[in-house]
Amino acid sequence: QVQLVQSGAEVKKPGASVKVSCKASGYTFTDYGLSWVRQAPGQGLEWMVWINPYNGYTNYEQKFPGRVALTTDTSTSTAYMELRSLRSDDTAVYYCARTVLDSSGWYQGPPFDYWGQGTLVTVSS
Amino acid sequence: SYVLTQPPSVSVAPGKTARITCGGNNIGSKSVHWYQQKPGQAPVVVIYYNSDRPLGIPERFSGSNSGNTATLTISRVEAGDEADYYCQVWDSSSDHVVFGGGTKLTVL
Repeated sequence: QVQLVQSGAEVKKPGASVKVSCKASGYTFTDYGLSWVRQAPGQGLEWMVWINPYNGYTNYEQKFPGRVALTTDTSTSTAYMELRSLRSDDTAVYYCARTVLDSSGWYQGPPFDYWGQGTLVTVSS
Repeated sequence: SYVLTQPPSVSVAPGKTARITCGGNNIGSKSVHWYQQKPGQAPVVVIYYNSDRPLGIPERFSGSNSGNTATLTISRVEAGDEADYYCQVWDSSSDHVVFGGGTKLTVL
């Protein structure tokens, strides 16, 4: 069965970086895209970015380029999301979520059908 | 950027019908997905492409989309339906994913 298993909770100081992993199983890793979605405490869902693990294509929400770096390791079917220059308002649960990409390897609207369990990142001095 | 507007809360008695709306400019021309999120859990898609229902989601869940409003309808509401619900679209003009602000469904 499809599973996305994320790394554990992190506590970081302002200005530091955090790297969250998302290990996929139960499907061919390079056949689907992965998005990262975050949720601040008591708030709604906020889409951040998606990546095509096959070719490395990415598409970022406008507020994140330069602070977010996505990488994938196809040998272990794992995606990584690094968020730099952390601020207190980056405190949130970060989710990875799988989605179908079109024939050109781009995301054009399918739902996020499987989600990781979430990783709480707390930014505090 | 494209904005999706949901009511913050909807309350309904058990056995009744809950309707959760998602407003957006000409949203009827887009595909809308709906997610259910219970406390401490990841979201789960309950309706995709406006009105399709994934395997395992009860028939009580249905969706529609026309004009400037998409609607998630939950018939014969049960206590277990109490959760936050989010609508989501892909905005082709910005090439970005957009979520609504979420609606907390309370079963009275």
